[in-house]
Amino acid sequence: EPEVTQTPSHQVTQMGQEVILRCVPISNHLYFYWYRQILGQKVEFLVSFYNNEISEKSEIFDDQFSVERPDGSNFTLKIRSTKLEDSAMYFCASSPTGEGPYGYTFGSGTRLTVV
Amino acid sequence: KNEVEQSPQNLTAQEGEFITINCSYSVGISALHWLQQHPGGGIVSLFMLSSGKKKHGRLIATINIQEKHSSLHITASHPRDSAVYICALNTDKLIFGTGTRLQVFP
Repeated sequence: EPEVTQTPSHQVTQMGQEVILRCVPISNHLYFYWYRQILGQKVEFLVSFYNNEISEKSEIFDDQFSVERPDGSNFTLKIRSTKLEDSAMYFCASSPTGEGPYGYTFGSGTRLTVV
Repeated sequence: KNEVEQSPQNLTAQEGEFITINCSYSVGISALHWLQQHPGGGIVSLFMLSSGKKKHGRLIATINIQEKHSSLHITASHPRDSAVYICALNTDKLIFGTGTRLQVFP
């Protein structure tokens, strides 16, 4: 069964450092998403990406964050200057279409710890 | 304002019991997802529903669009069902509930 692959599974970084979280979505999916889950809290939407551009972003997704699909397969989330409050589990997901009764497939997540 | 509410927040059961987890929502949706999150954190999609009922093994999910309500049922629960079960609304993005933590004891 096709999978969404995320790397690394764990990342520890110092405050102020840049991190790049990587995702390989399912190859024939067209919509890509990043979500995050702070420990003990619910999963929150960060950003959706379609046709090589951001289609929607949440208030959380400020100028510190950026996404790109550099080579047509990888989908990356960059956090420019990490803060302690960026510590969370980050999930990538992909979907064949943006809406309607079609499924999402989630990656297994990257646990980011900012120290 | 919570667009999606789950109940209960925590649920403890003995192996073999029938489990029901409820989800109510207040916005228009194209579909609703039931997801399972294990202690390691990974999220698995169990069901996506836009109407009626779906069954997969011991899991049954129902949705009533008019009443804006969905339920997830687990028949003959087992300790390996212990996880957090999350209801998520399908709009142009997913809107997640806070989850129901289920523990099934032998």
